[in-house]
Order: sequence, then C-alpha cells, then structure tokens
Amino acid sequence: AQSVTQLGSHVSVSEGALVLLRCNYSSSVPPYLFWYVQYPNQGLQLLLKYTTGATLVKGINGFEAEFKKSETSFHLTKPSAHMSDAAEYFCAVSSDSSYKLIFGSGTRLLVRP
Amino acid sequence: GAVVSQHPSWVICKSGTSVKIECRSLDFQATTMFWYRQFPKQSLMLMATSNEGSKATYEQGVEKDKFLINHASLTLSTLTVTSAHPEDSSFYICSASSGQVGETQYFGPGTRLLVL
Repeated sequence: AQSVTQLGSHVSVSEGALVLLRCNYSSSVPPYLFWYVQYPNQGLQLLLKYTTGATLVKGINGFEAEFKKSETSFHLTKPSAHMSDAAEYFCAVSSDSSYKLIFGSGTRLLVRP
Repeated sequence: GAVVSQHPSWVICKSGTSVKIECRSLDFQATTMFWYRQFPKQSLMLMATSNEGSKATYEQGVEKDKFLINHASLTLSTLTVTSAHPEDSSFYICSASSGQVGETQYFGPGTRLLVL
C-alpha cells in the first residue's frame, strides 16, 4: 500500500526566506509524485510532478522538488517566499498499478511580512 | 493546464433534500473523474472514481446509494447527495484526468455544501 507523510502541519517563514515543505512516501512500486497547492475555498492546483527521468523537477511559481529514492522523499522548496505563497500544500503519490492519488495530510504555509 | 469547473460553488439545503453537483472538464476529454470530500483543515478523501459510461467505483466506507455518481459523457460527471443530513456538510471537490497512470488530475474549484 502507498502512503504519504508530510512533516509539519504548519510551516511559517519570513517573506524572502527559503521555503522547505517535507514529504516522504511509502510505495512498493516506482512512484509518481505530485505537489498541489490549495488556496482558501478553492480546488487544488498542480505545482509540479515527478514521473520518470530527471529527479529535480521544476514547477510553477518558482517551486521545485527533488525525488530522492534512497530517502523516499520528495521535498518541495522555493528559494524566496512571497506573501502570495501562503496556502495549503499537499503532496500526493500514485503509481503504475493505480491511477488513484494518495494525499498527505497537508502543510499550511504561513508567510510573515 | 486543463480546466475543470464545478457547479454550484456553494449550496445550502434543508435536511432530507437531495443536492446535485456537476463537474465539467472544459477543454479536454476526461475518461476518468474522481470525487473527493474535504473536511475543514483536513486532507482530501477519495470518495469514488467514475469512468465514462460505466458505474462508479466507491471507496470503502462510502455509501453508493447516498452518493450517486453519473459520468454520462467525457466532459461531465455528477454527484448527487441524496437525503442530505447535516453530517454531509462538507467541501466536495472533483478532478478529471485521461485515466492513464501517472497522468495529472486536474481539480475543480470545489463545492461547499451546508445542510441545515
């Protein structure tokens, strides 16, 4: 069975600081990994995804994530936080054996002025 | 990315009534649509998966007679909450994809349901 763990339900950073949101997954088969962002009262928007190939994936709004198989991690980073980045972030996993997405519990990013 | 719409964006209804929520993929053919439920400050819980022209597959613990799903075309899926009760109040989100493994799911903006 697949699962996703997001460490830290809340992360607070200052504007301009590095953003690091952690995601670890469990999967017995090669995973497909996704990061989605959700703004209040809205649906989810895809930030980036990893399927195969290059392990460093660049997404929208300056975000990127690196797939590390040895660490079963897919952490999301952004060099410099912006106030507009404040939102809920979800990591998700699927695989060749299932197109269903398994979501982590989410991390709320707060950006301080 | 692809655009998915939901209608209505919010609905208030009386206990015992039924509510229909529509999910449309506006610019691509969605072989597969998913329905999720999200409680406040929680993650998304997959309720069911629907494939165009076939019966929906429900996740364990989801009552198929209470949450009726129809996927009549490649661009439209509907979720009907039958005989709604206050505990059905939630944020319902749909997503659509081509149904291929690894493909991105594109999410609708969600529908907030409040049952009085």
